[in-house]
Amino acid sequence: AQSVTQLDSHVSVSEGTPVLLRCNYSSSYSPSLFWYVQHPNKGLQLLLKYTSAATLVKGINGFEAEFKKSETSFHLTKPSAHMSDAAEYFCVVSDDDYKLSFGAGTTVTVRA
Amino acid sequence: DTEVTQTPKHLVMGMTNKKSLKCEQHMGHRAMYWYKQKAKKPPELMFVYSYEKLSINESVPSRFSPECPNSSLLNLHLHALQPEDSALYLCASSPLSAGVSTDTQYFGPGTRLTVL
Repeated sequence: AQSVTQLDSHVSVSEGTPVLLRCNYSSSYSPSLFWYVQHPNKGLQLLLKYTSAATLVKGINGFEAEFKKSETSFHLTKPSAHMSDAAEYFCVVSDDDYKLSFGAGTTVTVRA
Repeated sequence: DTEVTQTPKHLVMGMTNKKSLKCEQHMGHRAMYWYKQKAKKPPELMFVYSYEKLSINESVPSRFSPECPNSSLLNLHLHALQPEDSALYLCASSPLSAGVSTDTQYFGPGTRLTVL
């Protein structure tokens, strides 16, 4: 069985400051882990994916995530937030045929 | 190109109408998915097609009827919907490379459905 917990339902940052979105997961197997972003009234866009090749994964738009097996975590970071980063972020785990387990989502707001 | 397209963008229908949602991808992906997403919630899986065959039906009411005419196209036929079916309907596809069913899923922009 797989599950995902996003530890913050809402994160507010100032433009130009770092962003940290926290995600813990549980999985019976070696999972694939993803972060997706969803802007208002849009579909989900893949930010990055972990598949055991490297524990630090770089994604699009300056985002990166670190896989820590001992902590069962996959936190997402960005050194400097931009206004366009305001969106909903989903941490997702996949270790089952075709099925993704989504976290509840973290809403990011960016203050000017 | 990792694009999944969906039409229409918006759809308003009455409870007695019949309508269809369309999804298309030209990435050679062999798995396609329908999800339903309510406001402020993550997407919920409805159906999965792999190699044009229905693989998963997540106990979706029969008023939703999926169809996969070919490897690039996925339809969702709607009939006698209820107001609580109003949501964003997302289509996704994944490569199924080497038969791997945990591949990355690529999502379309969605169809915003309103049932009156």
